[in-house]
Amino acid sequence: GIQVEQSPPDLILQEGANSTLRCNFSDSVNNLQWFHQNPWGQLINLFYIPSGTKQNGRLSATTVATERYSLLYISSSQTTDSGVYFCAVRSLGSARQLTFGSGTQLTVLP
Amino acid sequence: DGGITQSPKYLFRKEGQNVTLSCEQNLNHDAMYWYRQDPGQGLRLIYYSQIVNDFQKGDIAEGYSVSREKKESFPLTVTSAQKNPTAFYLCATLQDGTQYFGPGTRLLVL
Repeated sequence: GIQVEQSPPDLILQEGANSTLRCNFSDSVNNLQWFHQNPWGQLINLFYIPSGTKQNGRLSATTVATERYSLLYISSSQTTDSGVYFCAVRSLGSARQLTFGSGTQLTVLP
Repeated sequence: DGGITQSPKYLFRKEGQNVTLSCEQNLNHDAMYWYRQDPGQGLRLIYYSQIVNDFQKGDIAEGYSVSREKKESFPLTVTSAQKNPTAFYLCATLQDGTQYFGPGTRLLVL
């Protein structure tokens, strides 16, 4: 099946800093999503972005499908950005099944 | 208030006991999913259902069972055959390519 690798596995930032999270995948995809999991376990969809670039406030994402990677940018980080960020993809041959990466644990210090 | 509800929030299981986790949604989404998350890991798919009275095994279906008698409901039973059930269980729906998650149930074996 498709492989999804996220980097870095852990990231510690000072409040106000910027960061870039990366997601590499091993096959062509027709669905790619970024999620944030808060410390209580709730997963929130950040972006549905199988290709192109999107922005939502301080967050933006870019997927280069032909090169099989996606980037999540967080600018002016806040302590509430802490948590785990997951990338999930669906390969072209999959029947509505997402494969998740192992996540990036982000800690933003005050 | 539209959303996905899961109950209970915490569940304790004794050895050899079957337990059922509830998942209800009022989003009118056709597809529903169950994922398992172990500490420090990504999500793994247990079962999914694209339509009422139909469901498919995911990557780790052994020791679990589901039913989909109503569009709104997709309960998961963790059977005694599941030897290591301690984990965080997440129910989700899928609509227009975007996955939406419930708050999760933490299952602990005594």
